[in-house]
Amino acid sequence: FVLAQPPSVSESPGKTVTISCTRSGGSIANNYIQWYQRRPGKSPTTVMYEGNQRPSGVPDRFSGSIDSSSNSASLTLSGLRTEDEAEYYCQSYDGYNWVFGGGTKLTVL
Amino acid sequence: QVHLQESGPGLVKPSETLSLTCTVSGGSISPYYWSWIRQPPGKGLEWIGYFYFTGNTKYNPSLTSRVTMSLGSSKNQVSLSLSSVTDADTAVYYCARGFQFYYSDSWGQGTLVTVSS
Repeated sequence: FVLAQPPSVSESPGKTVTISCTRSGGSIANNYIQWYQRRPGKSPTTVMYEGNQRPSGVPDRFSGSIDSSSNSASLTLSGLRTEDEAEYYCQSYDGYNWVFGGGTKLTVL
Repeated sequence: QVHLQESGPGLVKPSETLSLTCTVSGGSISPYYWSWIRQPPGKGLEWIGYFYFTGNTKYNPSLTSRVTMSLGSSKNQVSLSLSSVTDADTAVYYCARGFQFYYSDSWGQGTLVTVSS
């Protein structure tokens, strides 16, 4: 299956932005969705796992959800800060094999 | 706080074997899944596979014929071997740790491997 993400989104500081991840081939609810953040020049960090679980240290400005009607997952960032500017990747799995979305570049301007 | 550090040659010749090591400090190899993920320049993330502390492995079907993951030479290391490399294998390679096979919660800083003659 494929996970499709918008190539880019932009929003102003303090606002709220949602990044989508749409699954084609199978139900989005079949397998957990994870989200990774990769800031420029840095390695990825995990900002969401199992759909809506935040790892320790990730602020509650980050939230995750699943929408079965659109067969998509979403990562929502509220109270945007300039340090949120990064690439965001969704990830799920097929059997034991991971599948990544193509990534979304978030610009905070 | 666990720290992961990838190491290995930054330059590999085409058709040769890429070998990387992930050294784990501040934690143990068990009872975790150790994944390798790569990112070619200008492209997205690609999962290479994982090594479970018991020795069980799963590889990306597109790479399975060329990939081997195992424990490293030290008890706090895991290793990645990718044979018959081509230009398409040029990427930043990351190791990452997970409690479950389907995600990783801690990532290394990554190491750039360039395939070139």
